[in-house]
Amino acid sequence: NAGVTQTPKFRVLKTGQSMTLLCAQDMNHEYMYWYRQDPGMGLRLIHYSVGEGTTAKGEVPDGYNVSRLKKQNFLLGLESAAPSQTSVYFCASSRTGFNSPLHFGNGTRLTVT
Amino acid sequence: AQKITQTQPGMFVQEKEAVTLDCTYDTSDQSYGLFWYKQPSSGEMIFLIYQGSYDEQNATEGRYSLNFQKARKSANLVISASQLGDSAMYFCATASGGSYIPTFGRGTSLIVHP
Repeated sequence: NAGVTQTPKFRVLKTGQSMTLLCAQDMNHEYMYWYRQDPGMGLRLIHYSVGEGTTAKGEVPDGYNVSRLKKQNFLLGLESAAPSQTSVYFCASSRTGFNSPLHFGNGTRLTVT
Repeated sequence: AQKITQTQPGMFVQEKEAVTLDCTYDTSDQSYGLFWYKQPSSGEMIFLIYQGSYDEQNATEGRYSLNFQKARKSANLVISASQLGDSAMYFCATASGGSYIPTFGRGTSLIVHP
């Protein structure tokens, strides 16, 4: 039982390049989330999904897009990377909404130069 | 909107002593959950403990307990008998029945001294 798997673990991009972060969960969870973590800022929600085929914006969605074509996968895309997107990205999933803990992936450290 | 405030950027504790990490929350919903997560230096996020807004007793999980004071909107984490392995960042989070989406505080860095 792998839980939540994120790929890649590390990535360096040049300004203007694009990439997709992959997140897969094998727990049949309905809810999935993408957070970014910056020093002193805690975790800030980028986008989330409450079920297959649905996505919604979080606190800091600008510059990112997401898709959830299959229940187990949640993709985060950067169309034109900027240095301000240098961060650690965490994917998470939960069984239901407010009373279920989040299960996190191990994070992706992204540097944009 | 919901909000989490963690006012202690850093805390120090002697090994084997107890420590309390503060968390206050703000939500207009009656139904909500409160969570604590640990992030060691290796970077992964580990769920520690959960408290529901209607739970009458404070949650406990081994050496972790959550001091829930609903009227004060506080959900402090108490770690008893601290161990060196408890050194980490600790994040408080809340999710409400209205928005479902967890909101995190900025975290508290705990260092346990031998």
